[in-house]
Amino acid sequence: GDSVTQMEGPVTLSEEAFLTINCTYTATGYPSLFWYVQYPGEGLQLLLKATKADDKGSNKGFEATYRKETTSFHLEKGSVQVSDSAVYFCALSDKGSARQLTFGSGTQLTVLP
Amino acid sequence: DADVTQTPRNRITKTGKRIMLECSQTKGHDRMYWYRQDPGLGLRLIYYSFDVKDINKGEISDGYSVSRQAQAKFSLSLESAIPNQTALYFCATSGVAGTGGAGTQYFGPGTRLTVL
Repeated sequence: GDSVTQMEGPVTLSEEAFLTINCTYTATGYPSLFWYVQYPGEGLQLLLKATKADDKGSNKGFEATYRKETTSFHLEKGSVQVSDSAVYFCALSDKGSARQLTFGSGTQLTVLP
Repeated sequence: DADVTQTPRNRITKTGKRIMLECSQTKGHDRMYWYRQDPGLGLRLIYYSFDVKDINKGEISDGYSVSRQAQAKFSLSLESAIPNQTALYFCATSGVAGTGGAGTQYFGPGTRLTVL
């Protein structure tokens, strides 16, 4: 079945540091790929998504590119802020009628001032 | 007002008790989902529903049941709660293709359930 493998955390960075959180997937066909963010005490929010190979999703300074050849969707941000501290989940969705999301285990990011 | 709401937000119960978690949405979406979140395991799908008459089991449905009372309401029940059902529970919704867009799901704030 489908699966998502995500870089294990926790990750601790200083403000303005460069962020990379690795995500690779296994799926039949060509899934859609997502990054969701969970701030403390809240539900998950969609951060960005990409629906086909070579698409780049971007939002709030975060970017991720759908790489079919390496089955990856790594999340990057050039300069993190304290307010980016959260748990980040990589996920994929099949494009069949079910459109179920399969999540990675999540990566806790802490940004220190 | 939030688009997806869950009640209660926190609940402590005892082993063997029946408990219901409720979810309501104002997004007009047809599809609704229940997940549980455990540390280090991400989110796992319990049940999902495409409309009022369509209920489907997810990855970890054992010990749970659901009811889709209306398009906007989807409740999760634990008939006889056990301690390993202690977790954070999330409800989510999505529209059909072309509306919510390629599987995008929208999540409620979660219910923290503790079974003693």
